[in-house]
Amino acid sequence: QVQLQESGPGLVKPSETLSLTCTVSGGSISSNYWSWIRQPPGKGLEWIGYIYYSGSTNYNPSLKSRVTISVDTSKNQFSLKLKSVTAADTAVYFCARGGEVGTDFDFWGQGTLVTVSS
Amino acid sequence: QSALTQPASVSGSPGQSITISCTGTTSDVGGYNYVSWFQQHPGKAPKLMIYEVNNRPSGVSNRFSGSKSGNTASLTISGLQADDEADYYCSSYTRSSSWVFGGGTKLTVL
Repeated sequence: QVQLQESGPGLVKPSETLSLTCTVSGGSISSNYWSWIRQPPGKGLEWIGYIYYSGSTNYNPSLKSRVTISVDTSKNQFSLKLKSVTAADTAVYFCARGGEVGTDFDFWGQGTLVTVSS
Repeated sequence: QSALTQPASVSGSPGQSITISCTGTTSDVGGYNYVSWFQQHPGKAPKLMIYEVNNRPSGVSNRFSGSKSGNTASLTISGLQADDEADYYCSSYTRSSSWVFGGGTKLTVL
């Protein structure tokens, strides 16, 4: 059973960069697509982007200018960087398996709350 | 890319059936058979319940079913149970090669 676990700071200052890591266990990060999805408090879900184990990426057009997703296959991890954050980026951030068409968001991490505040 | 449209809330009594709609456009729901449904209990991660319009992952009860007509997808839950009370989200692949979610529907089991 694949398991995912998000980690990173829970508080980020406005205009700084949000950085999170997702560690995959119970399976290899190879040959799969991996996504970041977020949920502002009390609101709906928003797909941020995905990465393939080879390093190819695809981002939500609305966030593309601020997002970078990378992968470290040696550590079975993938990471999210979101720059120039504002209060609107405050959300629970989930990592999940899937993202390319024909794949499904079938395994999710528990989520981690990131608050943007000075 | 605008969020898909879902009713804010639906309710039903134990044993009844309910249907949640998810309306998009020809650029997402209407254009692709890549519609999924997720169940989310408070404070938990979403759980995949339906993928590719009408397929159930292993382990998901056959009380959950999905369908699509034009730009609207639907999730039907039959034989409502107390544990079905949760938020439900639809998602669709889009013409811009991205994913869009619905605003979510709160299901109350009376």
